[in-house]
Order: sequence, then structure tokens, then C-alpha cells
Amino acid sequence: AQSVAQPEDQVNVAEGNPLTVKCTYSVSGNPYLFWYVQYPNRGLQFLLKYITGDNLVKGSYGFEAEFNKSQTSFHLKKPSALVSDSALYFCAVTHGSSNTGKLIFGQGTTLQVKP
Amino acid sequence: GAGVSQTPSNKVTEKGKYVELRCDPISGHTALYWYRQSLGQGPEFLIYFQGTGAADDSGLPNDRFFAVRPEGSVSTLKIQRTERGDSAVYLCASSFGPGWEQYFGPGTRLTVT
Repeated sequence: AQSVAQPEDQVNVAEGNPLTVKCTYSVSGNPYLFWYVQYPNRGLQFLLKYITGDNLVKGSYGFEAEFNKSQTSFHLKKPSALVSDSALYFCAVTHGSSNTGKLIFGQGTTLQVKP
Repeated sequence: GAGVSQTPSNKVTEKGKYVELRCDPISGHTALYWYRQSLGQGPEFLIYFQGTGAADDSGLPNDRFFAVRPEGSVSTLKIQRTERGDSAVYLCASSFGPGWEQYFGPGTRLTVT
């Protein structure tokens, strides 16, 4: 069965410092991996995805993520955090050969960036 | 362009009542998904439409839940005999197809009293 784990409920960083939000996954076959962000009282917003190719993918708002097949991880990163990055972040996976594309989400990680 | 829209944004209903939640996807997106998000949890898949047909309804919790997409665009999620445990935010998403990124609507917050 497919699953996603986000081991940290909350990540705290100071503005200007690099940030990492962790995600590990379990799926048979090739994974399609996604990161979404959810601001209070707003819908989920797509940040970036990994399908194939370069293990480092770049997305919106300066975020990037690194796919590591051996560690089955897809950690979200940003070189310099902004206070406005504070939000709830979700990692999601689907099976690369899935004929539905249904996403399995992690529990979410709250990112708090302090001035 | 317009994103995914959902109506109503909030719905309060009494236990045992019937409710309908509507989703209007992004124009041109053939794939449409319904998810349910409980407080403190990630979204959970309910059902997937490709065009007019429900290609995967494996996430529907029981037969009180049903969804339609008669013309391959707007979709309605229907819940009969609502229970307090149905209270959650119901999210709709659309995409060009399986494997493409899904774009989510703002959700409908359902409260069953």
C-alpha cells in the first residue's frame, strides 16, 4: 500500500535561514511526488512535483525538493526562509503507473518562520 | 484564469439530513477528484472521475456517499443520512489527467450537528 510520512509536526526556523521539511514515502514502482502548501482559510496550492529526470526539482516561491530513491525521501527545501512562508505543508505521492492519479497525503508539517 | 470553485463554502446540517456539495473544475481539465480533510489530517481520497465516469470510487466510506459528473464538467458530491462523523472539509481538485498536478478548490466545510 502507498503511504507518506512527514515525521515533523512542526518546523521552526528564523527568517533568512535555510529550511527543510521532511517527507518519506512508500509506493510500489515509480513514484510521482508532490508538495502542496495550505495557508489558513485557503485551499491547497501546488508547489512542485517530481515525475522523472533530475533529482532536484524547483517550484514556486523559491522552493525546491530533492528526490532520493535509495532513501525513499522527497524533502522540501528553501535556501532562505521568509516569514510569509509560514503555513501548513503537505507531501503527496501517487503510483507512477496509476490509472487514477489519486494522491496519498502525509499528515502535514506546520512551518513557522520567525522574524 | 478561473480556478476550481466549490459551493457552498460552509454547510451546517442536522444529523440525518441530505446534503449536496458542488464542484466546478478548471475548464479543460478532464480529471476531477474529491477528497475529505479532517482537522489535523491530510486530505483523504474519495473518488476520481475521468470525464463523466467514476473511474475509481474506492475511497467512498460507505453507500451513503455518492458523486456524479453528468456532463464531464461540474460534479456534485451527495451525502445521505448525514452523521456527525461526516463533519470535515470536502475538497475538490481537477487536473489534465492522472499524474498531472491537481489544482484544489477552497473546500466546503461541512458541519453535522
